[in-house]
Amino acid sequence: AAGVIQSPRHLIKEKRETATLKCYPIPRHDTVYWYQQGPGQDPQFLISFYEKMQSDKGSIPDRFSAQQFSDYHSELNMSSLELGDSALYFCASSLGGGQGSLGYTFGSGTRLTVV
Amino acid sequence: SQQGEEDPQALSIQEGENATMNCSYKTSINNLQWYRQNSGRGLVHLILIRSNEREKHSGRLRVTLDTSKKSSSLLITASRAADTASYFCATDAWRIGGATNKLIFGTGTLLAVQP
Repeated sequence: AAGVIQSPRHLIKEKRETATLKCYPIPRHDTVYWYQQGPGQDPQFLISFYEKMQSDKGSIPDRFSAQQFSDYHSELNMSSLELGDSALYFCASSLGGGQGSLGYTFGSGTRLTVV
Repeated sequence: SQQGEEDPQALSIQEGENATMNCSYKTSINNLQWYRQNSGRGLVHLILIRSNEREKHSGRLRVTLDTSKKSSSLLITASRAADTASYFCATDAWRIGGATNKLIFGTGTLLAVQP
């Protein structure tokens, strides 16, 4: 069965550079969530999109932006990267906004290292 | 953590023993989920318990939920070395009128099962 696909798997960037992370949800899932997990930390919610509109916002820095496209894939754009942005970035998808559903599926994550 | 605490933060047991991990949360919830994460890898969904359920089983996993105490426990019976991982609880809070229900993670328990 198709899962949530994230690309790239690993990314190394220098300080002040930009990075773009991509997430392809499970087919027919219309909701995408982004999480950031620092070393030894729990995943922190960043932002979510439902039907291509931003639906919720968490602790996402102003340097980051995201969008969901017409094919429901999502991209997380990160600018002016800082060392503290080094983390594992997860994307999850669900159907119908996740309301009362079982359908959260996580991707394998993108490991971003800022040097 | 955005939502609550898990205890213990680290647990070391011998193969064959049972492992119990606890999770507390702060807000009203729609359901509570447990996830497993091998070091630096993706989040794997283990089990979901709804707010109107008190106990749920899945294989060697047993989850309890006490909404009056805002707490849950995950029991892994007859543990194996392959169970070594971090375990997170995550709550899915119902938002009236909200478009999405993001998951809020606890801080995680690092379980080490010694062969």
